[in-house]
Amino acid sequence: QSVLTQPPSASGTPGQRVTISCSGSSSNIGSNYVYWYQQLPGTAPKLLVYRSNERPSGVPDRFSGSKSGTSASLAISGLRSEDEANYYCAAWDDSLSGPIFGGGTTLTVL
Amino acid sequence: QVQLVESGGGVVQPGGSLRLSCAASGFTFSRYGIHWVRQAPGKGLEWVAVISYDGSTKYYADSVKGRFTISRDNSKNTLYLQMNSLRAEDTAVYYCAKDAGVAHIYYYFDYWGQGTLVTVSS
Repeated sequence: QSVLTQPPSASGTPGQRVTISCSGSSSNIGSNYVYWYQQLPGTAPKLLVYRSNERPSGVPDRFSGSKSGTSASLAISGLRSEDEANYYCAAWDDSLSGPIFGGGTTLTVL
Repeated sequence: QVQLVESGGGVVQPGGSLRLSCAASGFTFSRYGIHWVRQAPGKGLEWVAVISYDGSTKYYADSVKGRFTISRDNSKNTLYLQMNSLRAEDTAVYYCAKDAGVAHIYYYFDYWGQGTLVTVSS
C-alpha cells in the first residue's frame, strides 16, 4: 500500500480533459514538491512535471500539475491516444526520509 | 543525448548475490547523483538507493539497507548496485535514474535507463 494514494484507473475520449489525483499527508505533499512521471507500456518512466507545476523542456503544455494542501493533481487536456500510459506521482517524505511514489494510475483513451 | 544503460540482471536463487551496472553517457557523470529505482512485475515504482556525485554520500531504502550497496566509478562513467542476501520480494526491473540536481541531490529523476530484470527464484 503506497503512502501516496492515486486512483488505479482513469479514462477519457480524445480531446477531453482528464485529471489524475494524488493524495498524501503533511509529511510529504503538504511540505514538499510533487513530481509526476509518465510510463508508456513497456518503457521506462519519463519526468512529466517537477516542483509541483513545472514542465521539463519537450513536455507539451497539455500536461499541467498543481498542488493544494496535502493533495496534488495532474491535468491532461486535449487528450490523445498516445497519452495512454501509467502515471505516477512522487514526493519526498519527511518521516520516511526518502522519496515515495503513488501506486500509479492507468489512463485509458477510449 | 543522455543515455543510461543497465546490465547485469538475471535469475538468482534466494540468498544469492548479483551486481548491476549502469553505463552513463551524454552528460558530465561526475557532477550528478544517481539513483536506483525498481519496479516489481505489474507493480508501481520503489526508490532503492542514491549516491552523490562524488560517491561520498549514500542513502538506502529501509527494504534494502544492509543488503544492497551502491557505488560508482567516475573514471568509467558507471554506477553499480551490489545486491546480497536476495529475497523473492527483490524481484523487479531495476532502473538507474539521473538526479536532476548538479552536485546536490534533489531526489527527482530527469533521465531513466531502460531497466534490467532481476528474478529471485529457486
